[in-house]
Parts: sequence; C-alpha cells; structure tokens
Amino acid sequence: SQQGEEDPQALSIQEGENATMNCSYKTSINNLQWYRQNSGRGLVHLILIRSNEREKHSGRLRVTLDTSKKSSSLLITASRAADTASYFCATSGTSYGKLTFGQGTILTVHP
Amino acid sequence: EPEVTQTPSHQVTQMGQEVILRCVPISNHLYFYWYRQILGQKVEFLVSFYNNEISEKSEIFDDQFSVERPDGSNFTLKIRSTKLEDSAMYFCASSPDRNYGYTFGSGTRLTVV
Repeated sequence: SQQGEEDPQALSIQEGENATMNCSYKTSINNLQWYRQNSGRGLVHLILIRSNEREKHSGRLRVTLDTSKKSSSLLITASRAADTASYFCATSGTSYGKLTFGQGTILTVHP
Repeated sequence: EPEVTQTPSHQVTQMGQEVILRCVPISNHLYFYWYRQILGQKVEFLVSFYNNEISEKSEIFDDQFSVERPDGSNFTLKIRSTKLEDSAMYFCASSPDRNYGYTFGSGTRLTVV
C-alpha cells in the first residue's frame, strides 16, 4: 500500500454512533495530520499528532498514533449528519512540511 | 478566522494555453504550498515554497510549472502550456511552521479542453 492509506474506504453510520477510521503509512514521519473535505470543497485541518505523541483529543475527535505499527486512527464520537464528508490522513516526513495524502474515507452519517 | 483565498474558483482553458492560478495565503504564514486533486483521486503534492524560493517539488512539477510570490502577498502557480491531464482542482495552502496544520484555500477547478 502507499503512504497514508485509509481504511475503510467508505463508512456509513447512524447519527449518534461513533466512527473510526484507520490510516497506515510506510516511511518515518515528523507528524501525521487528519483533514476533512466536504464534496467539491477545500480541505479543513482537523488535528495534528507529532511522532512522539501517542494520543490527542480535540472536541469529539480522538487521534491515536502507533509509530511501531506505522498506523493512526481517527475516532469521531457522537457523530452528526454534518460530519458527512471525506476524511484524509496525511503524513509529513520532510524538512519543509510536504504532506502525503491517502485516498481517504468517505463517511456518511444518516440522521 | 484568517483564510487562504484562491482565484478564480473555476477556469476553463484551451489546451496549450498558459494559465495563472492565484492565491493569497495567510499573512503571517511562512510556508506555502500547491497541491492538486484530479477528480476521484488523492490529493497530490506539487511544490512547497519557503523563504522566497522553492524548497521541495514533486515529479509532477516539471518545467511547465512555476511559482512566484511577487509582492509578499500573492502566491501564484503558472502552467505554461496546459495539457488535458492538467485538469484538476488546484489547492493552495499555507502554514506558520512545518509542524503545524495547513490552512487550505477553497481551490481552483481547472478544466483544459
């Protein structure tokens, strides 16, 4: 698989449920970031986790990072219909912050 | 909240024509980027710009592409002779530091016909 591959490719849940998305990568990183993209729009930064961190929280978001397994997960708790979007992980491993994006997970939250 | 502004939102151009995509990054940011996303595909890195010069570029960013920050405010991407395969959404982004998240613009949808 390529750097920053998300799993699953698509996820459909009911409002109020939790959504978990996973990301795997291959090379060493400085940090890993998660972004959201609504259809046809720009990317919105959600959260950044540094390589020396294991877990980070922001509101209803929880991100974990396991550098030994080269994987990360994004948990969205108590999902809302407005969370419907594509979610991308992106790894940064170079000096100037270049990001390598995965294919993304399409999340659909049904009201 | 500060925004990254991109213009135009949509541009249609004929194959072989030059296009300039414009971006106004957030004023106190130091790192500037262009990415593109072909419909249905992943977001791809094109180029990063720091301290008034290109710091990294991808294989996509060949001699047909160039970037400029002419006046300390605007950040432009020029494609000299467009090809059909250049059709994509082009995103500009900026960041205060390489260990911070980016702020992306809303994108320019480029259609080459």
